[in-house]
Parts: sequence; C-alpha cells; structure tokens
Amino acid sequence: ETGVTQSPTHLIKTRGQQVTLRCSSQSGHNTVSWYQQALGQGPQFIFQYYREEENGRGNFPPRFSGLQFPNYSSELNVNALELDDSALYLCASSLESGRAYSGANVLTFGAGSRLTVL
Amino acid sequence: EDQVTQSPEALRLQEGESSSLNCSYTVSGLRGLFWYRQDPGKGPEFLFTLYSAGEEKEKERLKATLTKKESFLHITAPKPEDSATYLCASYGQNFVFGPGTRLSVLP
Repeated sequence: ETGVTQSPTHLIKTRGQQVTLRCSSQSGHNTVSWYQQALGQGPQFIFQYYREEENGRGNFPPRFSGLQFPNYSSELNVNALELDDSALYLCASSLESGRAYSGANVLTFGAGSRLTVL
Repeated sequence: EDQVTQSPEALRLQEGESSSLNCSYTVSGLRGLFWYRQDPGKGPEFLFTLYSAGEEKEKERLKATLTKKESFLHITAPKPEDSATYLCASYGQNFVFGPGTRLSVLP
C-alpha cells in the first residue's frame, strides 16, 4: 500500500508567478484535500475534492484552484503568488462516502511541498 | 466560526516525566476530534479520533480524552522519541487544526 506522495518537495518562485503542486493519493482513497501550513502554525484547510469536484473550501481566494483526476491524484494551482504564500503545502487523502453527516475519516498526509516566494 | 486552540505552545519534559497537552475547541456539530503527530520535515501522522464526550483512547504511552469543550493528550513516562509537534483538529464542516504543541523530551 503506497502512501501519499507530493511533488516537488521544494521550490522557489518570485512574486506574481504561478505554481502547480502535485499529489498522488493513497491507494484505495477517493478524496483529496489540500492544506497550507505556515511556519509554526497548524495546517489550514484550502479545499477538498471528491469525485473530481470541489466539495469544500476554506477561506482562500480564487487564485488558489485545484483539480482531481480520475485516478484520484490532484493538483493545486496558485496564481499571482504573494510573499505570504510561502508555506508548506500538504496534501491529504481519505476514503469518503460522500454522504452529508457521515463521520469524518482519517486523513493520510504527504510530506508536503515547501514553497518559498521571493 | 470553528476554532481550535492548543496549550502550551511548547513543552520540555525530562524522560519519564508525565504531562498533558490541552486542546480547546469551538465547533458547530462536532463529528470528530483528531490528534496528529508531526515530525520536522514530515506531514502529520494520525494518532486518535474521538467522537463523543467521555470517550478515551490509548496507544502506547499516549491517552486521549474528550469533553464537550476540550480534549487532552496525556503522555505517560515519555521517551525522547516522543519529541514532536502534536496537532489537534476538530471536524465539523471541515477540518480545523490548532497551532500545535511542540514537545521536547530530554534524555
């Protein structure tokens, strides 16, 4: 059973550029969510994808967007990078039923992509 | 708005010195309270899920408990390998993580 893998592990961009981060979910999982973790802080929920559709979003602007593919892998895209976007971006996968009010399932996290914006 | 706070921010213990970490939460319709461990340079690793007040779960030297407003992670006779950041997360509509407690266990 493979875990969650993310790429790249580190990258440096300049303000105003665009970035794409990639995530392969754990085998058997159908849901991917993305988190931003600033230094010394806990992860902040960006959005979640279930069956290739966004089905939950945190307090992040539209320049943060994503995709989920039929094999349940996912991408996070950030446009018009700002200095405050510098953070560790974590991808997590889980197995969800898709029913409202179902219990939360365990998130399995990848090691993250460390983004530095200069 | 759902909120999770954790205390203390950092904790240094001697090996074998037991202690507790606190997680306070405010969430509409709690569907689960989670504890994760995060080592430097790695993603969070799942420890426990608690679903209702009064519930307790144990794993090796760790025990998690839940009340209607708080959760505690009790560490009994910790070892240096227990050094990590411990994150608490509530799940209502979405996961909301606290800032974590950085635990250092000295030999």
